[in-house]
Amino acid sequence: AQSVTQLDSHVSVSEGTPVLLRCNYSSSYSPSLFWYVQHPNKGLQLLLKYTSAATLVKGINGFEAEFKKSETSFHLTKPSAHMSDAAEYFCVVSDRFIIQGAQKLVFGQGTRLTINP
Amino acid sequence: DAGVIQSPRHEVTEMGQEVTLRCKPISGHDYLFWYRQTMMRGLELLIYFNNNVPIDDSGMPEDRFSAKMPNASFSTLKIQPSEPRDSAVYFCASSLYRGEDTEAFFGQGTRLTVV
Repeated sequence: AQSVTQLDSHVSVSEGTPVLLRCNYSSSYSPSLFWYVQHPNKGLQLLLKYTSAATLVKGINGFEAEFKKSETSFHLTKPSAHMSDAAEYFCVVSDRFIIQGAQKLVFGQGTRLTINP
Repeated sequence: DAGVIQSPRHEVTEMGQEVTLRCKPISGHDYLFWYRQTMMRGLELLIYFNNNVPIDDSGMPEDRFSAKMPNASFSTLKIQPSEPRDSAVYFCASSLYRGEDTEAFFGQGTRLTVV
Protein backbone atom coordinates (compact mmCIF):
# COMPACT_ATOMS: atom_id res chain seq x y z
CA ALA A 1 0.00 0.00 0.00
CA GLN A 2 1.12 3.50 -0.71
CA SER A 3 1.15 6.46 1.61
CA VAL A 4 2.39 10.02 1.58
CA THR A 5 3.51 12.24 4.41
CA GLN A 6 3.82 15.95 3.91
CA LEU A 7 6.03 17.07 6.73
CA ASP A 8 4.70 20.61 7.04
CA SER A 9 1.04 21.59 7.15
CA HIS A 10 1.92 25.26 6.66
CA VAL A 11 4.95 26.98 5.15
CA SER A 12 5.41 30.73 5.10
CA VAL A 13 8.14 32.46 3.07
CA SER A 14 8.87 35.96 1.88
CA GLU A 15 8.46 36.91 -1.74
CA GLY A 16 11.69 36.33 -3.64
CA THR A 17 13.05 33.72 -1.22
CA PRO A 18 13.33 29.97 -1.88
CA VAL A 19 10.46 27.57 -1.31
CA LEU A 20 10.84 24.05 0.07
CA LEU A 21 7.82 21.79 0.58
CA ARG A 22 8.75 18.42 1.98
CA CYS A 23 7.24 15.06 1.10
CA ASN A 24 8.09 11.48 2.04
CA TYR A 25 6.39 8.50 0.51
CA SER A 26 5.92 4.81 1.07
CA SER A 27 5.18 2.41 -1.75
CA SER A 28 5.30 -1.34 -2.20
CA TYR A 29 6.11 -0.97 -5.85
CA SER A 30 7.97 1.41 -8.09
CA PRO A 31 6.03 4.62 -7.59
CA SER A 32 4.91 7.49 -9.70
CA LEU A 33 4.99 10.73 -7.76
CA PHE A 34 3.20 13.99 -8.40
CA TRP A 35 2.76 17.45 -7.00
CA TYR A 36 -0.60 19.13 -7.43
CA VAL A 37 -1.51 22.70 -6.58
CA GLN A 38 -4.91 23.95 -5.48
CA HIS A 39 -5.61 27.66 -5.50
CA PRO A 40 -8.51 28.93 -3.37
CA ASN A 41 -11.87 27.78 -4.68
CA LYS A 42 -10.23 26.16 -7.66
CA GLY A 43 -9.63 22.61 -8.81
CA LEU A 44 -6.38 20.70 -8.66
CA GLN A 45 -3.68 21.40 -11.20
CA LEU A 46 -0.72 19.14 -11.93
CA LEU A 47 2.59 20.89 -11.23
CA LEU A 48 4.96 18.09 -12.11
CA LYS A 49 5.35 14.31 -12.06
CA TYR A 50 8.04 11.70 -11.71
CA THR A 51 7.68 8.35 -13.42
CA SER A 52 10.88 6.52 -14.20
CA ALA A 53 13.03 8.96 -16.12
CA ALA A 54 15.20 11.73 -14.69
CA THR A 55 15.15 12.02 -10.92
CA LEU A 56 15.08 15.82 -11.10
CA VAL A 57 11.75 16.87 -12.49
CA LYS A 58 10.91 20.33 -13.74
CA GLY A 59 7.33 21.54 -13.63
CA ILE A 60 5.31 24.59 -14.38
CA ASN A 61 5.81 28.02 -12.82
CA GLY A 62 9.46 27.37 -12.00
CA PHE A 63 8.88 24.49 -9.59
CA GLU A 64 11.15 21.46 -9.39
CA ALA A 65 11.19 18.25 -7.42
CA GLU A 66 13.87 15.63 -6.91
CA PHE A 67 13.12 11.94 -6.47
CA LYS A 68 15.47 10.40 -3.91
CA LYS A 69 14.81 6.69 -3.58
CA SER A 70 17.30 6.21 -0.73
CA GLU A 71 15.46 8.82 1.32
CA THR A 72 11.97 8.00 -0.03
CA SER A 73 11.52 11.71 -0.58
CA PHE A 74 10.11 13.93 -3.29
CA HIS A 75 10.53 17.48 -2.05
CA LEU A 76 9.20 20.42 -4.06
CA THR A 77 11.37 23.50 -4.52
CA LYS A 78 11.35 26.86 -6.21
CA PRO A 79 14.29 29.28 -6.17
CA SER A 80 12.23 32.44 -5.77
CA ALA A 81 8.69 32.66 -4.45
CA HIS A 82 6.06 34.80 -6.10
CA MET A 83 2.86 36.08 -4.54
CA SER A 84 0.86 34.01 -7.00
CA ASP A 85 2.40 30.83 -5.56
CA ALA A 86 0.21 31.12 -2.46
CA ALA A 87 -1.93 27.98 -2.52
CA GLU A 88 -2.32 24.47 -1.12
CA TYR A 89 0.15 21.91 -2.43
CA PHE A 90 -0.42 18.16 -2.46
CA CYS A 91 2.17 15.45 -2.80
CA VAL A 92 0.67 12.36 -4.44
CA VAL A 93 1.85 8.80 -4.97
CA SER A 94 0.57 6.17 -7.34
CA ASP A 95 1.76 2.64 -8.02
CA ARG A 96 2.85 2.34 -11.64
CA PHE A 97 2.15 -1.31 -12.15
CA ILE A 98 -1.52 -1.63 -11.49
CA ILE A 99 -3.13 -4.30 -13.62
CA GLN A 100 -6.20 -2.25 -14.33
CA GLY A 101 -4.06 0.54 -15.64
CA ALA A 102 -5.69 3.17 -13.55
CA GLN A 103 -3.62 5.51 -11.51
CA LYS A 104 -5.17 5.41 -8.07
CA LEU A 105 -3.79 8.55 -6.59
CA VAL A 106 -3.07 8.69 -2.87
CA PHE A 107 -2.87 12.26 -1.62
CA GLY A 108 -0.89 13.73 1.22
CA GLN A 109 -2.65 16.01 3.67
CA GLY A 110 -1.44 19.11 1.90
CA THR A 111 0.86 22.02 2.71
CA ARG A 112 -0.50 25.53 2.72
CA LEU A 113 2.06 27.94 1.28
CA THR A 114 1.81 31.56 2.33
CA ILE A 115 3.89 34.25 0.65
CA ASN A 116 4.71 37.37 2.63
CA PRO A 117 5.30 40.62 0.74
CA ASP B 1 -11.75 20.75 -24.67
CA ALA B 2 -13.31 22.59 -21.73
CA GLY B 3 -11.82 20.21 -19.21
CA VAL B 4 -13.70 18.23 -16.60
CA ILE B 5 -16.99 19.94 -15.85
CA GLN B 6 -18.76 19.52 -12.55
CA SER B 7 -22.15 20.79 -11.51
CA PRO B 8 -23.36 22.37 -9.42
CA ARG B 9 -20.37 24.33 -8.08
CA HIS B 10 -22.10 24.81 -4.76
CA GLU B 11 -24.94 22.89 -3.17
CA VAL B 12 -26.68 23.56 0.12
CA THR B 13 -29.24 21.04 1.24
CA GLU B 14 -31.07 19.96 4.35
CA MET B 15 -30.26 16.79 6.18
CA GLY B 16 -32.23 13.87 4.82
CA GLN B 17 -32.53 15.22 1.31
CA GLU B 18 -31.15 13.50 -1.76
CA VAL B 19 -28.18 15.15 -3.41
CA THR B 20 -26.89 14.47 -6.92
CA LEU B 21 -23.52 15.67 -8.11
CA ARG B 22 -22.71 15.64 -11.80
CA CYS B 23 -19.55 15.25 -13.82
CA LYS B 24 -18.69 15.48 -17.49
CA PRO B 25 -15.23 14.02 -18.16
CA ILE B 26 -12.87 15.11 -20.89
CA SER B 27 -13.94 13.61 -24.20
CA GLY B 28 -12.03 10.43 -25.02
CA HIS B 29 -10.87 9.72 -21.50
CA ASP B 30 -11.39 6.16 -20.33
CA TYR B 31 -11.11 6.59 -16.57
CA LEU B 32 -13.28 8.64 -14.25
CA PHE B 33 -12.67 9.17 -10.55
CA TRP B 34 -14.69 10.67 -7.72
CA TYR B 35 -12.78 12.16 -4.77
CA ARG B 36 -13.93 13.81 -1.56
CA GLN B 37 -11.95 16.51 0.24
CA THR B 38 -12.50 17.30 3.93
CA MET B 39 -10.41 19.09 6.49
CA MET B 40 -10.20 15.99 8.64
CA ARG B 41 -9.39 13.36 6.04
CA GLY B 42 -7.93 15.32 3.13
CA LEU B 43 -8.53 13.98 -0.37
CA GLU B 44 -9.93 10.48 -0.57
CA LEU B 45 -10.76 8.37 -3.59
CA LEU B 46 -14.39 7.25 -3.42
CA ILE B 47 -14.83 5.27 -6.62
CA TYR B 48 -13.45 4.98 -10.12
CA PHE B 49 -14.75 3.79 -13.47
CA ASN B 50 -13.02 2.34 -16.52
CA ASN B 51 -14.95 2.55 -19.77
CA ASN B 52 -18.13 3.36 -17.79
CA VAL B 53 -17.77 0.28 -15.57
CA PRO B 54 -17.22 0.73 -11.82
CA ILE B 55 -13.91 -0.90 -10.95
CA ASP B 56 -13.29 -0.06 -7.32
CA ASP B 57 -15.85 1.43 -4.95
CA SER B 58 -14.04 0.53 -1.75
CA GLY B 59 -13.73 4.18 -0.86
CA MET B 60 -17.46 4.81 -0.82
CA PRO B 61 -18.18 5.53 2.82
CA GLU B 62 -21.66 4.06 3.18
CA ASP B 63 -24.60 2.63 1.28
CA ARG B 64 -26.05 6.12 1.25
CA PHE B 65 -23.51 6.88 -1.46
CA SER B 66 -23.92 5.60 -5.00
CA ALA B 67 -22.29 6.47 -8.31
CA LYS B 68 -23.22 5.76 -11.88
CA MET B 69 -21.73 6.30 -15.29
CA PRO B 70 -24.45 5.63 -17.86
CA ASN B 71 -22.25 6.70 -20.77
CA ALA B 72 -18.75 7.90 -21.54
CA SER B 73 -19.65 11.56 -21.13
CA PHE B 74 -21.56 11.64 -17.86
CA SER B 75 -21.34 10.44 -14.29
CA THR B 76 -23.31 11.10 -11.12
CA LEU B 77 -22.58 10.75 -7.44
CA LYS B 78 -25.71 10.50 -5.35
CA ILE B 79 -26.13 10.75 -1.59
CA GLN B 80 -29.44 9.61 -0.17
CA PRO B 81 -30.23 10.55 2.53
CA SER B 82 -27.65 13.26 3.08
CA GLU B 83 -26.15 14.00 6.51
CA PRO B 84 -24.19 16.99 7.85
CA ARG B 85 -20.98 14.94 7.94
CA ASP B 86 -21.22 14.57 4.17
CA SER B 87 -20.35 18.26 3.86
CA ALA B 88 -17.18 18.41 1.77
CA VAL B 89 -15.81 19.33 -1.62
CA TYR B 90 -16.33 16.56 -4.14
CA PHE B 91 -13.96 16.37 -7.09
CA CYS B 92 -14.35 14.48 -10.30
CA ALA B 93 -11.28 13.62 -12.36
CA SER B 94 -10.74 11.87 -15.66
CA SER B 95 -7.75 10.39 -17.43
CA LEU B 96 -6.71 8.57 -20.58
CA TYR B 97 -4.42 5.69 -19.81
CA ARG B 98 -1.05 6.22 -21.49
CA GLY B 99 1.20 4.25 -19.22
CA GLU B 100 3.70 6.53 -17.55
CA ASP B 101 2.31 9.54 -19.37
CA THR B 102 -1.11 9.13 -17.82
CA GLU B 103 -2.35 12.32 -16.18
CA ALA B 104 -5.55 12.87 -14.23
CA PHE B 105 -7.40 16.12 -14.88
CA PHE B 106 -9.60 17.46 -12.12
CA GLY B 107 -12.79 19.45 -12.23
CA GLN B 108 -13.27 22.52 -10.06
CA GLY B 109 -15.24 20.58 -7.52
CA THR B 110 -18.69 20.78 -5.95
CA ARG B 111 -18.83 22.27 -2.48
CA LEU B 112 -21.61 20.45 -0.63
CA THR B 113 -23.06 21.79 2.59
CA VAL B 114 -25.62 19.71 4.44
CA VAL B 115 -27.42 21.61 7.18
